[in-house]
Amino acid sequence: AAGVIQSPRHLIKEKRETATLKCYPIPRHDTVYWYQQGPGQDPQFLISFYEKMQSDKGSIPDRFSAQQFSDYHSELNMSSLELGDSALYFCASKDRDMNTEAFFGQGTRLTVV
Amino acid sequence: AQSVTQLGSHVSVSEGALVLLRCNYSSSVPPYLFWYVQYPNQGLQLLLKYTSAATLVKGINGFEAEFKKSETSFHLTKPSAHMSDAAEYFCAVSLSYNTDKLIFGTGTRLQVFP
Repeated sequence: AAGVIQSPRHLIKEKRETATLKCYPIPRHDTVYWYQQGPGQDPQFLISFYEKMQSDKGSIPDRFSAQQFSDYHSELNMSSLELGDSALYFCASKDRDMNTEAFFGQGTRLTVV
Repeated sequence: AQSVTQLGSHVSVSEGALVLLRCNYSSSVPPYLFWYVQYPNQGLQLLLKYTSAATLVKGINGFEAEFKKSETSFHLTKPSAHMSDAAEYFCAVSLSYNTDKLIFGTGTRLQVFP
């Protein structure tokens, strides 16, 4: 079965650079969630989208932005990167009309040096 | 506001011993509760979920959890630990099964000794 695809799997950036993380949800899933998991930390909710509209917002810095496109894939854009942005970024998707939980991707590990 | 508390950031057991990972929740409405497992450098895999049906929930890999409203708990258990169970385990709560984000606990690292 198709799963949530995140790219790239690993990314190394320097401070003050920008990064774009991509998430391709399971086909027919209309809802996407982004989470950030710092080293040794629990995943923290950043932002979510439903049918290409932002549906909820968590502790996402102003330097970050995200959107969901017409094909339901989502991108997380991160600017002016800081060392503290180094983390594992997860995307999860679900079909809101189906009685199932969200499915997680493998994550993108971002390292800021 | 909803939250989950996982007691014990590290739990060590011998292979074949009982595994008990504790999770207590706080929620103003009936919660939806989940247990996820994360192996090193891997994503989050759902072990089991409570969605207000049966209070005893069976999941994958022999794990189960019991929802106890009186104790606001959702502890994860497995009768006999296996070396392959060594991982990080996260309890999570959600307001809604279909629409809401997950709020995770701080995680419990399970070590299994031979």
